[in-house]
Amino acid sequence: NAGVTQTPKFRVLKTGQSMTLLCAQDMNHEYMYWYRQDPGMGLRLIHYSVGEGTTAKGEVPDGYNVSRLKKQNFLLGLESAAPSQTSVYFCASSYHNRGGVSNQPQHFGDGTRLSIL
Amino acid sequence: AQSVTQLGSHVSVSEGALVLLRCNYSSSVPPYLFWYVQYPNQGLQLLLKYTSAATLVKGINGFEAEFKKSETSFHLTKPSAHMSDAAEYFCAVSGPSGTYKYIFGTGTRLKVLA
Repeated sequence: NAGVTQTPKFRVLKTGQSMTLLCAQDMNHEYMYWYRQDPGMGLRLIHYSVGEGTTAKGEVPDGYNVSRLKKQNFLLGLESAAPSQTSVYFCASSYHNRGGVSNQPQHFGDGTRLSIL
Repeated sequence: AQSVTQLGSHVSVSEGALVLLRCNYSSSVPPYLFWYVQYPNQGLQLLLKYTSAATLVKGINGFEAEFKKSETSFHLTKPSAHMSDAAEYFCAVSGPSGTYKYIFGTGTRLKVLA
């Protein structure tokens, strides 16, 4: 059982380049999330999705776009990479939260380490 | 609004000593609380969760946490530290109802000294 798989694991980009990070989960989870992790700042939510075809903005959405065309996949796009987007990106998924309250634990991938030069 | 504060970004303990990692939360409704562990170059793994069934929650690897409503705390403890416990630990609280979000603390890096 793979759980949450992130592709690629490492990437170096030049300023202005674009790329897409892929997240795939095999647990039939409804909810999926993209976070970025920076030293001393914990995890900050970029975008999330509560179901196929739906996405919503998180805490730090600027400069990123997402799509969830299939339930098992959640894509994070950088249209024009900037050095400030150098970070470690984590995808997570969880079961449906009853009553709209986040009472289910999240399952995380191993991260994508992205450097923007 | 929900928030989480982890006191101490770095904690050092000797092998065999008590581990105590502090987490205080702010929530307008009864919260759901989680502790996660992150080993180098890995994602976060669930240690334990509080969902109102019992105030003392036991997790994996010998860790436990006690929910104290009067102190708005959910501190993580382990009676005897092992070298393999060296990692970063994150406390998280469920976000406002209907938002489907989780609020994470900034993390505490635990160092275990031989």
